[in-house]
Amino acid sequence: ETGVTQTPRHLVMGMTNKKSLKCEQHLGHNAMYWYKQSAKKPLELMFVYSLEERVENNSVPSRFSPECPNSSHLFLHLHTLQPEDSALYLCASSQDDGSGNEQFFGPGTRLTVL
Amino acid sequence: TQLLEQSPQFLSIQEGENLTVYCNSSSVFSSLQWYRQEPGEGPVLLVTVVTGGEVKKLKRLTFQFGDARKDSSLHITAAQPGDTGLYLCAGEENNQGGKLIFGQGTELSVKP
Repeated sequence: ETGVTQTPRHLVMGMTNKKSLKCEQHLGHNAMYWYKQSAKKPLELMFVYSLEERVENNSVPSRFSPECPNSSHLFLHLHTLQPEDSALYLCASSQDDGSGNEQFFGPGTRLTVL
Repeated sequence: TQLLEQSPQFLSIQEGENLTVYCNSSSVFSSLQWYRQEPGEGPVLLVTVVTGGEVKKLKRLTFQFGDARKDSSLHITAAQPGDTGLYLCAGEENNQGGKLIFGQGTELSVKP
């Protein structure tokens, strides 16, 4: 238990569906992250929120839309995804205070796009 | 963008053997972290090294940060089946708001 929870753990969706991934951190951190993990590839940073402001958007397609309503919650809204978007989506949090960036990860959502 | 090369990508050994995983870059990192990930779970932080030449030990695991802060190694002594998993190194970029760059990982399998 890392203090970061993600729901759902597994999601199967069609290319025309709209779904959302949820992440919640109970660590009092001020930064949250979305990563994509595909087989045999390094973790890809998608979005970073620091103090609820989006500070990073790594050229992610617009079919992925993040939302950070407060410092404890992070969402990833999905619509009209492609099969190649199937992957493990990981959320992480950290305390962004300039003294190192130890990130704590949730268990991930295994997404399959049919 | 800084890159981290991890080697080997796959490692299958017998219980009791020793092993070393390497993480190399041509760029300098302000810190480097090692994570372990089990199937169906997220990465779990093992250690953070910050100072060039730093060595940290966590039971049978020894982590070293290179003198120039461009590389790191993870050595496991007398590996156990419970050490099986994906080991990830991640470097914190200088002056990039603490963004982490991940290596592609080393899949370790320790057979009884």
